[in-house]
Amino acid sequence: GESVGLHLPTLSVQEGDNSIINCAYSNSASDYFIWYKQESGKGPQFIIDIRSNMDKRQGQRVTVLLNKTVKHLSLQIAATQPGDSAVYFCAEQGGTSYGKLTFGQGTILTVHP
Amino acid sequence: EPEVTQTPSHQVTQMGQEVILRCVPISNHLYFYWYRQILGQKVEFLVSFYNNEISEKSEIFDDQFSVERPDGSNFTLKIRSTKLEDSAMYFCASTLRNTEAFFGQGTRLTVV
Repeated sequence: GESVGLHLPTLSVQEGDNSIINCAYSNSASDYFIWYKQESGKGPQFIIDIRSNMDKRQGQRVTVLLNKTVKHLSLQIAATQPGDSAVYFCAEQGGTSYGKLTFGQGTILTVHP
Repeated sequence: EPEVTQTPSHQVTQMGQEVILRCVPISNHLYFYWYRQILGQKVEFLVSFYNNEISEKSEIFDDQFSVERPDGSNFTLKIRSTKLEDSAMYFCASTLRNTEAFFGQGTRLTVV
């Protein structure tokens, strides 16, 4: 069935390091992907998105890479800060299901000062 | 900055009771959603709502669940007879059209 999953459930980095969070998806019809950050007790917060006609998109300190050949998505965070500590979810959306997102399991990112 | 607001932030209810979770989506958005997240698990889609009707729902969204947009601003999720396994964070989200979904802060539902 359709699924979106993460390779690594936890990631610990030192402040200032770059972080890479990975995600695999299985629905080849997915055409829109989003990374969300979730802090404890809060709702998912949009970080960055990418559509299937692109393979890279950059934001402020964040980059999303999409490899459709192997159905892989990654989030790169440059110069990670303690405030980046959170759970990161990838989510995918396919076809005409506007907003119906299928979330991955989440990766816990811990940034040590 | 516009945001999705949810009330209450925490709801405790007895098993078998009805609960209504409330949401005010972003005002110009067209699509509305409910998701839930059981503690420590991923966020799961429940239902999407567009043009005053359900456009899609998941297997979780059974006959005990219903949604309503009673006026131009509120979007509600009703659980008719709560079960222990309904305990979760419930998130409302809205989107304009095939753009990123904005999520509320969630309602923590505890069924005892």
